[in-house]
Amino acid sequence: LAKTTQPISMDSYEGQEVNITCSHNNIATNDYITWYQQFPSQGPRFIIQGYKTKVTNEVASLFIPADRKSSTLSLPRVSLSDTAVYYCLVGASIKAAGNKLTFGGGTRVLVKP
Amino acid sequence: DVKVTQSSRYLVKRTGEKVFLECVQDMDHENMFWYRQDPGLGLRLIYFSYDVKMKEKGDIPEGYSVSREKKERFSLILESASTNQTSMYLCASSAYSGEITDTQYFGPGTRLTVL
Repeated sequence: LAKTTQPISMDSYEGQEVNITCSHNNIATNDYITWYQQFPSQGPRFIIQGYKTKVTNEVASLFIPADRKSSTLSLPRVSLSDTAVYYCLVGASIKAAGNKLTFGGGTRVLVKP
Repeated sequence: DVKVTQSSRYLVKRTGEKVFLECVQDMDHENMFWYRQDPGLGLRLIYFSYDVKMKEKGDIPEGYSVSREKKERFSLILESASTNQTSMYLCASSAYSGEITDTQYFGPGTRLTVL
């Protein structure tokens, strides 16, 4: 069972880049890394997913080193609306034998003007 | 757009009551999940289901049961509510897409208070 560890919170300012690192030392070979964003009074929503190296979409980038024991979510040029809690999730398809999906504790990001 | 709806946004119940939390998704997803969310603890998986009438325990199933009689509906049941079950409950669904982690779509949550 891949346990994940994230910083509890971080502050930033508008226009800056925010990097959130998630540690997952015992990630399994077939596990993927997924990040979710949650605004107050809403359920989490998918941001990005990757297996190794780098993945980029219109919202964020995800950096995964070769040993895959950690991953870094990068939010470029944040705005006030990026203030949210960000969750790291490690796991594979739920039908893979013995696998469970484990969310980290979440990182509360506060973007200041 | 995928829509996951939960029967109530806020619910107040008394200790010992039987509580039903309902979740419905409209995208014909195979997988459905129930989580609880508590400050400092993140999201913890209670139960999930990958098919009608199938259920699997998550990390914290004690004190809960589930029912999935139809593909679109997944119910969480608290047989005898206790104050330590006061929490935010989130339902999610996902399509089975093979080997990659299935993207989960979450409902807005139900904040349950047990007095």
